[in-house]
Amino acid sequence: AQSVTQLDSHVSVSEGTPVLLRCNYSSSYSPSLFWYVQHPNKGLQLLLKYTSAATLVKGINGFEAEFKKSETSFHLTKPSAHMSDAAEYFCVVSDLGSARQLTFGSGTQLTVLP
Amino acid sequence: DAMVIQNPRYQVTQFGKPVTLSCSQTLNHNVMYWYQQKSSQAPKLLFHYYDKDFNNEADTPDNFQSRRPNTSFCFLDIRSPGLGDAAMYLCATARRGPSYEQYFGPGTRLTVT
Repeated sequence: AQSVTQLDSHVSVSEGTPVLLRCNYSSSYSPSLFWYVQHPNKGLQLLLKYTSAATLVKGINGFEAEFKKSETSFHLTKPSAHMSDAAEYFCVVSDLGSARQLTFGSGTQLTVLP
Repeated sequence: DAMVIQNPRYQVTQFGKPVTLSCSQTLNHNVMYWYQQKSSQAPKLLFHYYDKDFNNEADTPDNFQSRRPNTSFCFLDIRSPGLGDAAMYLCATARRGPSYEQYFGPGTRLTVT
């Protein structure tokens, strides 16, 4: 069985300051890990993915995440927040090679203050 | 350039009146998914198609059905919508491969009156 825990339901940062959204996972197999972003009334957009290659993954819009197997973590970071980053972020785990075993975290709402 | 298209974006239906939501894709992906997402919650998988093979989640209500007439299109039918079915419905696609990275459409917001 696999699971995802997003440690913060809400995060607030000031524009221009770093962003850290935390995610821990549990998986029996070699997982694929994803971060998706969802703006209000929109679909989910893939920010980045880890699929057993480089542990530091760079994504779109300046986001990156580091896969740490020893800590079972996949935290999302960005050096400098922008107002347009305000959205809901989902950490997702998928067992490698499985079409359906996609497990979502509960989401983190990011607020960016001017 | 839209890759996963959902129509309509907003749908209002009456309690008990059947409704169909549509999804199409230009990616030629062989896997298509339907999710239900309620306010402030993560998406919940209803079912998925692997090519023509239909895979229903165990807790998906019988009220929800799906059709995939060809690779490009997939439909979600709600036979008798209840107030509790009001939600955002997301369609996603994926190509067979190691990660099954999913591409999401913009969603259809369903309101039940």
